[in-house]
Amino acid sequence: DVKVTQSSRYLVKRTGEKVFLECVQDMDHENMFWYRQDPGLGLRLIYFSYDVKMKEKGDIPEGYSVSREKKERFSLILESASTNQTSMYLCASSLPLGEGNTGELFFGEGSRLTVL
Amino acid sequence: GQQLNQSPQSMFIQEGEDVSMNCTSSSIFNTWLWYKQDPGEGPVLLIALYKAGELTSNGRLTAQFGITRKDSFLNISASIPSDVGIYFCAGPVAGNMLTFGGGTRLMVKP
Repeated sequence: DVKVTQSSRYLVKRTGEKVFLECVQDMDHENMFWYRQDPGLGLRLIYFSYDVKMKEKGDIPEGYSVSREKKERFSLILESASTNQTSMYLCASSLPLGEGNTGELFFGEGSRLTVL
Repeated sequence: GQQLNQSPQSMFIQEGEDVSMNCTSSSIFNTWLWYKQDPGEGPVLLIALYKAGELTSNGRLTAQFGITRKDSFLNISASIPSDVGIYFCAGPVAGNMLTFGGGTRLMVKP
């Protein structure tokens, strides 16, 4: 069974703290994504990576960075957390579009971050 | 990024009722995807549509890819309590990325 695992389901951090959100997938997928989910705004793409050590900015990269040192692991980093980064963070992975692949995203269960 | 406008934002219905939600865009999409997010979980793909005019069913779910390629709808027939969740439409942009609608939150009263 395919699996995307996010390290923390719930985190509470203070303003200014550095925050790491970890994501691991066991499907050997090239593509990995970090989304942020807020009520009424749907899922907004923060960053994505299509290969090890490669990263692309999504729609809302400000205040975030990412790291992809190994194919199966994609980390989201908040260098200095702020209250407006309180949100649900979803990691996903996929095969590249084409070659018979639909580009379907497989999501983790989410990490709910609260910044006080 | 490109915007997908999803409506309604939320629905509160009686068990057994049919449900309809839709998604529109100002841009053309070549693929429409519908995901469902159960409470406390990540979204899961329900239906994928690849051709304008295509009508696809998955159990009690039916989705259509609009002829103009700028819209799609999802219908759920005879709703049950486990249909509760948030439904998202999505379409591919710029290669391997997906853009998502704002979601429709469905609540079902037993």
